[in-house]
Amino acid sequence: DTEVTQTPKHLVMGMTNKKSLKCEQHMGHRAMYWYKQKAKKPPELMFVYSYEKLSINESVPSRFSPECPNSSLLNLHLHALQPEDSALYLCASSPGRWYEQYFGPGTRLTVT
Amino acid sequence: GIQVEQSPPDLILQEGANSTLRCNFSDSVNNLQWFHQNPWGQLINLFYIPSGTKQNGRLSATTVATERYSLLYISSSQTTDSGVYFCAGVINNDMRFGAGTRLTVKP
Repeated sequence: DTEVTQTPKHLVMGMTNKKSLKCEQHMGHRAMYWYKQKAKKPPELMFVYSYEKLSINESVPSRFSPECPNSSLLNLHLHALQPEDSALYLCASSPGRWYEQYFGPGTRLTVT
Repeated sequence: GIQVEQSPPDLILQEGANSTLRCNFSDSVNNLQWFHQNPWGQLINLFYIPSGTKQNGRLSATTVATERYSLLYISSSQTTDSGVYFCAGVINNDMRFGAGTRLTVKP
């Protein structure tokens, strides 16, 4: 199984809502990543987990809160987002940090 | 700042044509990858190519790490090759993507 799954596919939320994005992989990978991609721009790295520990946080606002409950799961908790946070959120995994990354299909988030 | 430059930014081809996409890095890069992003946003792995040359069907890639560039070759292009092609690599413990090359293959 070389698949990374993400749920939900689409999410519309208000600025006062709390929601979570979920990412799952069953390839035995030990590194997982969150990226944010705005329209017509390249993906930008947000967070890196290596062996279930947060190793890199690219100065992301605290309204984004990552969580890695186990080696197969990665969550991104969202709270009090702004309309400019609307984007495609991509999850990826790799055998070890910075090795070949495999991406999920993404969650399209709209903040109203 | 650290730059990842891709060229050309846009490319329009007739079906069956060949093309070369280029990725230049301003600093030493590790773990270079090429991706194809389809119209639905899915990033598809094409090559993991820190150095050397690899081929997969109609696609091939070459990375010359000492000269800080990588090339992606597409031969006999098909309409399904349309989309955005990104190169990405690890520079100073950060994964950086180029701005992408938007390829349109016309029938």
